[in-house]
Amino acid sequence: NAGVTQTPKFQVLKTGQSMTLQCAQDMNHNSMYWYRQDPGMGLRLIYYSASEGTTDKGEVPNGYNVSRLNKREFSLRLESAAPSQTSVYFCASSPLLGGRYEQYFGPGTRLTVT
Amino acid sequence: KNQVEQSPQSLIILEGKNCTLQCNYTVSPFSNLRWYKQDTGRGPVSLTIMTFSENTKSNGRYTATLDADTKQSSLHITASQLSDSASYICVVRLLLNTDKLIFGTGTRLQVFP
Repeated sequence: NAGVTQTPKFQVLKTGQSMTLQCAQDMNHNSMYWYRQDPGMGLRLIYYSASEGTTDKGEVPNGYNVSRLNKREFSLRLESAAPSQTSVYFCASSPLLGGRYEQYFGPGTRLTVT
Repeated sequence: KNQVEQSPQSLIILEGKNCTLQCNYTVSPFSNLRWYKQDTGRGPVSLTIMTFSENTKSNGRYTATLDADTKQSSLHITASQLSDSASYICVVRLLLNTDKLIFGTGTRLQVFP
């Protein structure tokens, strides 16, 4: 099992460019998440998907869109990148939402917007 | 305001020594508390999870404690190894919100030979 995979691992964008971060999990989990991690701050939730076909905003959704393509895949799109979106992005998945369910994280995508 | 604060921010110890990391939280209502280990350039990996009624949980050389009355948790690492060099993140889940996790900023541990 690969667990949670993310592509790309690194990306440099110019202000105003768009891109999509890809995430896939092979654990048959229902719930998936996108976080960003910035220096000196804890991880912050951008969007999540409780189950296939549903998505909801997290703490910092502005400037992002998501698509739950199927049960395995959850993508994050930046329509018009801004320097404030320079960050490390983590995708995670869990069997179900909430409770004691563990969240399993991918290796991250390091994004720089110039 | 729901917050998770960790101390120290960074810590350097020699291989074989023990250490204790602290976590104070003001999250309410509380559901559970987790400790994650994050190696440089990798995603966080869960070490332990504790609910209100659990005051200690072990995972190998890692032992987490929870005092729900004082809203404090600690992570004790015994006989440290070079591979313990990482950031350790304390995370608290809110009881009411379906999937709201409050993340601390982490303690950066470096273990030297």
